[in-house]
Amino acid sequence: SQTIHQWPATLVQPVGSPLSLECTVEGTSNPNLYWYRQAAGRGLQLLFYSVGIGQISSEVPQNLSASRPQDRQFILSSKKLLLSDSGFYLCAWSVSDSSNQPQHFGDGTRLSIL
Amino acid sequence: AQTVTQSQPEMSVQEAETVTLSCTYDTSESDYYLFWYKQPPSRQMILVIRQEAYKQQNATENRFSVNFQKAAKSFSLKISDSQLGDAAMYFCAYRYNFGNEKLTFGTGTRLTIIP
Repeated sequence: SQTIHQWPATLVQPVGSPLSLECTVEGTSNPNLYWYRQAAGRGLQLLFYSVGIGQISSEVPQNLSASRPQDRQFILSSKKLLLSDSGFYLCAWSVSDSSNQPQHFGDGTRLSIL
Repeated sequence: AQTVTQSQPEMSVQEAETVTLSCTYDTSESDYYLFWYKQPPSRQMILVIRQEAYKQQNATENRFSVNFQKAAKSFSLKISDSQLGDAAMYFCAYRYNFGNEKLTFGTGTRLTIIP
C-alpha cells in the first residue's frame, strides 16, 4: 500500500533562517506531488505541485521554493524565513493521469517562526 | 478561476442526529470532481467522499452522503447518526478534470458534536 511521510512534525525557526521540509511517498511511482500551507483557522492554499522529476509549478509567488530531486521525494525550502511563513504545511500525492483519484495527505509540519 | 465557498465557519450537532454542511463553487467547466475532506485535531487530512460532476447520482459512503446540485453549483455534505469521532474541520474541494489536477479548497467548517 502507498504511504506518505513528512518531516519534521514540528519546527521552530528564527526569522531569516533557512528551511527544508521533506516529503517522501512509498508504494507508487511517478505520483503527482503537492505542497499546501494552512494558516491558522483557514483553508489550504496550494503552494507548489509537481508532475515529475525536476518539474515544479508555483501557484503563489513568495520566498519559498520546491524541488523534486527524485521521483518520490518533494522538498520545500526557503533561504530566509519570514514571520508570515508560519503555518501548517501539508504534503500530498495523487495518482498521475487520473483526475478522479483523490489526493492523499501527509501528517503535516507545524512551522513557527520566532 | 474556480472558487469554493463554505458559508458556515462553525456548526454543531447533537450526537446521533443529522447535520448538513454547505458548499458552493464557481466554475465555467462542466467536467470536474468534488471532494469533502475531514481534518480532525490530529491535523491529518482524510478523504470523506467524492463526486464526479458527470454523475447525477449522489455519492454515499456509509453515514456520509452528498446532495450535488450541478445547476446550482452546490455540493452539501450530510452526516447521519453523528458520532463524537466526527468532530473535525470539514473542507470542500474542487478539481477540474483536465490539466494539473490541483485542488481548490474552501475555508472549512468546524463541526462540534454535542454528547
